[in-house]
Amino acid sequence: DAGVIQSPRHEVTEMGQEVTLRCKPISGHDYLFWYRQTMMRGLELLIYFNNNVPIDDSGMPEDRFSAKMPNASFSTLKIQPSEPRDSAVYFCASSLVAELYGYTFGSGTRLTVV
Amino acid sequence: DAKTTQPPSMDCAEGRAANLPCNHSTISGNEYVYWYRQIHSQGPQYIIHGLKNNETNEMASLIITEDRKSSTLILPHATLRDTAVYYCIVRVRDNAGNMLTFGGGTRLMVKP
Repeated sequence: DAGVIQSPRHEVTEMGQEVTLRCKPISGHDYLFWYRQTMMRGLELLIYFNNNVPIDDSGMPEDRFSAKMPNASFSTLKIQPSEPRDSAVYFCASSLVAELYGYTFGSGTRLTVV
Repeated sequence: DAKTTQPPSMDCAEGRAANLPCNHSTISGNEYVYWYRQIHSQGPQYIIHGLKNNETNEMASLIITEDRKSSTLILPHATLRDTAVYYCIVRVRDNAGNMLTFGGGTRLMVKP
């Protein structure tokens, strides 16, 4: 398996624009997680899905953020409109329920909003 | 989940063992100790986890004290590529929905 795949690796956008981050989890994994990492706040969990259903989105900072998982192999995190303070590295991770080997993280998307 | 306390940074000489401590004095009986690491510009990587017995895999060894209030991650022969931030996390296993919460971790610098 190629692991968790995120795209794009880097994204630079202007304030006010819509940004969509994409994630393909490992096949067969039941859980998908979106994290955000900044120097000030470290790694923060934004939202997670179980069997494509959003379970807890309490970490989503504002209504400008939304996430979907239309099927078991694809998820998106959308920011509309984007702001400079949204600049961060966004990670997607997936896991089996039994968690024999923990969470598997993707390589992340580095978002810069100017 | 129980909270953990780790030193913010440590140094280790290349080829020597790196011993990373973690305190988790409020750990509950059904909580496991997990270790992850994050190499610069990469996503966190799972290393090892354990409940009360010592564990070893190809990456590291995990030593948990008998009272389970602290643990040590051991990298037996540290290399430059082991330079990373190491996170100790305590949580219930077999429930991926019990979210993985990262603290500040220990920044390990392996020096030549």
